[in-house]
Amino acid sequence: GDSVTQMEGPVTLSEEAFLTINCTYTATGYPSLFWYVQYPGEGLQLLLKATKADDKGSNKGFEATYRKETTSFHLEKGSVQVSDSAVYFCALSRNTGNQFYFGTGTSLTVIP
Amino acid sequence: EAGVAQSPRYKIIEKRQSVAFWCNPISGHATLYWYQQILGQGPKLLIQFQNNGVVDDSQLPKDRFSAERLKGVDSTLKIQPAKLEDSAVYLCASSFQGINSYEQYFGPGTRLTVT
Repeated sequence: GDSVTQMEGPVTLSEEAFLTINCTYTATGYPSLFWYVQYPGEGLQLLLKATKADDKGSNKGFEATYRKETTSFHLEKGSVQVSDSAVYFCALSRNTGNQFYFGTGTSLTVIP
Repeated sequence: EAGVAQSPRYKIIEKRQSVAFWCNPISGHATLYWYQQILGQGPKLLIQFQNNGVVDDSQLPKDRFSAERLKGVDSTLKIQPAKLEDSAVYLCASSFQGINSYEQYFGPGTRLTVT
């Protein structure tokens, strides 16, 4: 069945460090891929998305490229800030309006 | 626009008691989801509604969990009787039926503690 595997945390970085959170997926067909972020005490928010191979999603300095050949959707940011501290979830959806499959989440803490 | 509303935000009950959660989706969103998020895990879909019909409830423990979406707007998720392993955050999400219907908007969640 469809699934998402993301790197385990927690991840602790100093401010302005480079961030990579790995995400790989298993799915039939051509899923859409997402990164959601969950700040402390809040619900999940869509961070970025990519709906077809080679698409690059970007938002708030974060980027992820849909790599079909490696079935990956790694999240990157060139310079993290303390305000980026949150839990990041990789997710996929096979069809519009269909069920989402979430990874287990990666906790990121950025220290000044 | 107003986001997805959920209540209560927190609930503590004893095992074998019953509890209900309420969700009001974003206006105009036809699809509504209930997720269970256990600490340290990703959200797991419990049930998905399209308007007032159930699309997917394959992972809903139907012996104790029930959900309804009367009139295709707000929804209630009930647990009766609760077990210790039901302690989790229950998230409600909604999406628009259309080109971007894969984008889900989440509420703040209800944190349930069963003692």
